[in-house]
Amino acid sequence: DAKTTQPPSMDCAEGRAANLPCNHSTISGNEYVYWYRQIHSQGPQYIIHGLKNNETNEMASLIITEDRKSSTLILPHATLRDTAVYYCIVRAFPTPIKFYFGSGTKLNVKP
Amino acid sequence: GAGVSQSPSNKVTEKGKDVELRCDPISGHTALYWYRQSLGQGLEFLIYFQGNSAPDKSGLPSDRFSAERTGGSVSTLTIQRTQQEDSAVYLCATTSGGYNEQFFGPGTRLTVL
Repeated sequence: DAKTTQPPSMDCAEGRAANLPCNHSTISGNEYVYWYRQIHSQGPQYIIHGLKNNETNEMASLIITEDRKSSTLILPHATLRDTAVYYCIVRAFPTPIKFYFGSGTKLNVKP
Repeated sequence: GAGVSQSPSNKVTEKGKDVELRCDPISGHTALYWYRQSLGQGLEFLIYFQGNSAPDKSGLPSDRFSAERTGGSVSTLTIQRTQQEDSAVYLCATTSGGYNEQFFGPGTRLTVL
């Protein structure tokens, strides 16, 4: 199963874009990249996922490199409520469908 | 219910006792996962149920851990002869399957004294 590497922590100024990188150099052709976040003392929350094309939803954008070995989650206008641990995950296929959560990136949004 | 619920929210037990943790999934979600999260750590996969298929138990750390899912709905995670290293937050997540996102419950914080 492909594993992911993320920086342990990042800071971002409130109102600025937060760009969270993730390396997944051993990803297989049919594995998706998922992003979740975990706000303190809560269960993780789904953000976005993608295969090869860039994706955007109301929460964030996901940029996947052409070789799919890395990706970046973009929060366009970070707020204090976005302070959380962000997990980049690659799904294992074909079955069973497991999610492997690494240690994530602690994003600190500062006023 | 509207979301995944777990009970109890907190459990304090003595070393050597057995504990049962419960997960009530979102109605209609066929897949259910249990994870463990130790203090300051990422999530550790424990077990996965999909419909009526045999569960994937490959993440269970020892034979003291077991889980079942009755009728494809409620799931219980049982830890026998608890040890202090079992102290963690136990999270349950469900999904309708395929590539869909997982919905997590609030977790059960287990403390083994």
